[in-house]
Amino acid sequence: EAQVTQNPRYLITVTGKKLTVTCSQNMNHEYMSWYRQDPGLGLRQIYYSMNVEVTDKGDVPEGYKVSRKEKRNFPLILESPSPNQTSLYFCASRETQSGTKNIQYFGAGTRLSVL
Amino acid sequence: GNSVTQMEGPVTLSEEAFLTINCTYTATGYPSLFWYVQYPGEGLQLLLKATKADDKGSNKGFEATYRKETTSFHLEKGSVQVSDSAVYFCALRGRAAGNKLTFGGGTRVLVKP
Repeated sequence: EAQVTQNPRYLITVTGKKLTVTCSQNMNHEYMSWYRQDPGLGLRQIYYSMNVEVTDKGDVPEGYKVSRKEKRNFPLILESPSPNQTSLYFCASRETQSGTKNIQYFGAGTRLSVL
Repeated sequence: GNSVTQMEGPVTLSEEAFLTINCTYTATGYPSLFWYVQYPGEGLQLLLKATKADDKGSNKGFEATYRKETTSFHLEKGSVQVSDSAVYFCALRGRAAGNKLTFGGGTRVLVKP
């Protein structure tokens, strides 16, 4: 079954304590990305990766890091979380090639609260 | 840059009522258009899509038509069910390989029995 798996699903942490949210996909997709969802703002892209070792900033990258050492994994790292990073986070993946047939698949989400 | 505007919710309906969620967009070129649905506690699922002008996407009784002249992609369903209660997101993506999805703010729909 095609899946994007994120962990953990829920996380409560304190300001400044480094954390990592993992994301893994089993579809051999080149393109992966992270979004955050906030009320009234829809989903905004944090970072994306076109392939292994290729990452780039999205619309709201401040305070986040990513890495893409393997094709299937794309972890999101918060080195020093702050309360304004309290949000619902989604990982997504799709094939890279241009065109319109490639559908983006989303993980189930990680709800993060930073106290 | 690209942007998507959709009507704010929440939209509250009775079962079997007609649902319309308006979506308009601003984009260069000819983007693909999507509707995603998010059920409570779950991630986003693709509901339907349209890739060129006048295309109609449809799925699970929902429909949306790509209207280039009005830059719109309104979502409709003729008879909603309680199980359609969810948040609906309109989105677009340009045609280049690296182009990201740009989302509207989401519309929460609540269908009452």
